[in-house]
Amino acid sequence: QQQVKQSPQSLIVQKGGISIINCAYENTAFDYFPWYQQFPGKGPALLIAIRPDVSEKKEGRFTISFNKSAKQFSLHIMDSQPGDSATYFCAASLMGDYKLSFGAGTTVTVRA
Amino acid sequence: SAVISQKPSRDICQRGTSLTIQCQVDSQVTMMFWYRQQPGQSLTLIATANQGSEATYESGFVIDKFPISRPNLTFSTLTVSNMSPEDSSIYLCSVEDRGGTAGYTFGSGTRLTVV
Repeated sequence: QQQVKQSPQSLIVQKGGISIINCAYENTAFDYFPWYQQFPGKGPALLIAIRPDVSEKKEGRFTISFNKSAKQFSLHIMDSQPGDSATYFCAASLMGDYKLSFGAGTTVTVRA
Repeated sequence: SAVISQKPSRDICQRGTSLTIQCQVDSQVTMMFWYRQQPGQSLTLIATANQGSEATYESGFVIDKFPISRPNLTFSTLTVSNMSPEDSSIYLCSVEDRGGTAGYTFGSGTRLTVV
């Protein structure tokens, strides 16, 4: 049973556009929500993370929006660049537990 | 952030054989994990490698198939035993990185193909 559901499976965006990836979770005990970026042949790299006490976190062109009541969070990539073409995974972990539950992943392709 | 060196980066193995994957970290870490990423899929936690004690396995993974060693705070191995084509995956080592981004750092993975 997948604890974190991610959509879409893939998306194509033009250079300069906005990429939006959505995730939903069921377990209200989750208290850490990271996003990972993975390039082919590489391991996932932490991109940005949020805790449920804030509704939004921004780092450069990457923004996480968090809706605790809806149990949803999303990643927005502003001004998307070809170098952003990668697979993005959302994840969640439980308070006091170090296990990460990953979403299925979204492959983003940014066309020049 | 911790730097992870994982070896080998890829291998092609015959069915029925075993492969041991090594994970070396450049600093002492408390938590080390092994994940599996099947082709085009998400990451699934195999086990938590515990220093000085037996690894803690997730549902669906057993020690006989995936024996893990953790002799110290910077090194761990994962063995994939009696391999079948269904074991073809990317195997990733991960550590909890309190000293860097306060997240989890992953190695580059071992791409295993079983023929």
